[in-house]
Amino acid sequence: GENVEQHPSTLSVQEGDSAVIKCTYSDSASNYFPWYKQELGKRPQLIIDIRSNVGEKKDQRIAVTLNKTAKHFSLHITETQPEDSAVYFCAASIDRGAQKLVFGQGTRLTINP
Amino acid sequence: GAVVSQHPSWVICKSGTSVKIECRSLDFQATTMFWYRQFPKQSLMLMATSNEGSKATYEQGVEKDKFLINHASLTLSTLTVTSAHPEDSSFYICSARDFQGSSYEQYFGPGTRLTVT
Repeated sequence: GENVEQHPSTLSVQEGDSAVIKCTYSDSASNYFPWYKQELGKRPQLIIDIRSNVGEKKDQRIAVTLNKTAKHFSLHITETQPEDSAVYFCAASIDRGAQKLVFGQGTRLTINP
Repeated sequence: GAVVSQHPSWVICKSGTSVKIECRSLDFQATTMFWYRQFPKQSLMLMATSNEGSKATYEQGVEKDKFLINHASLTLSTLTVTSAHPEDSSFYICSARDFQGSSYEQYFGPGTRLTVT
């Protein structure tokens, strides 16, 4: 089955700097790649997603890039702010059956003021 | 739109008892709902896929007789943890997709924190 690897597990950056989180997936049939932000005790919040027919997508300070050949995708957050501190998860969905999500291990991002 | 609710938000039960968690899609019909479990400082692990009107599909290693899933309507799925033990203490989250739309997005419930004493 699908396997999603996420790095790094923790990331600390200065406020205003950029943060990059990377994920790789194993199943070439995966075609949907969402990123979630989760605060302690809360539900995961979708922050951006990308489909396999697109190489890059941007939404204000957040961008996601996808390399289908290498089977990896990355989250880029620019001009980081303290409220960006949270745990971020990548996920991949296979275009078969119920299209269930497989999550990466998560990255704890800390923005230092 | 696309709101998913869960009830209860937290529950404490004694070892050996059963607990039922409800997941509702409030403003859309969800033919498929998903149940996840999340242990502290860990990722979301899919437990099962719940299909309206049919049996749930469980992930490898998840005991179907222990985690009973019922998806009786297009807006409600329930997860019953039977004979709960302390190791079942976790954060249980459901999600749902609006299959009438073209979006791949899953909408997550707020989660249920289960503590078994």
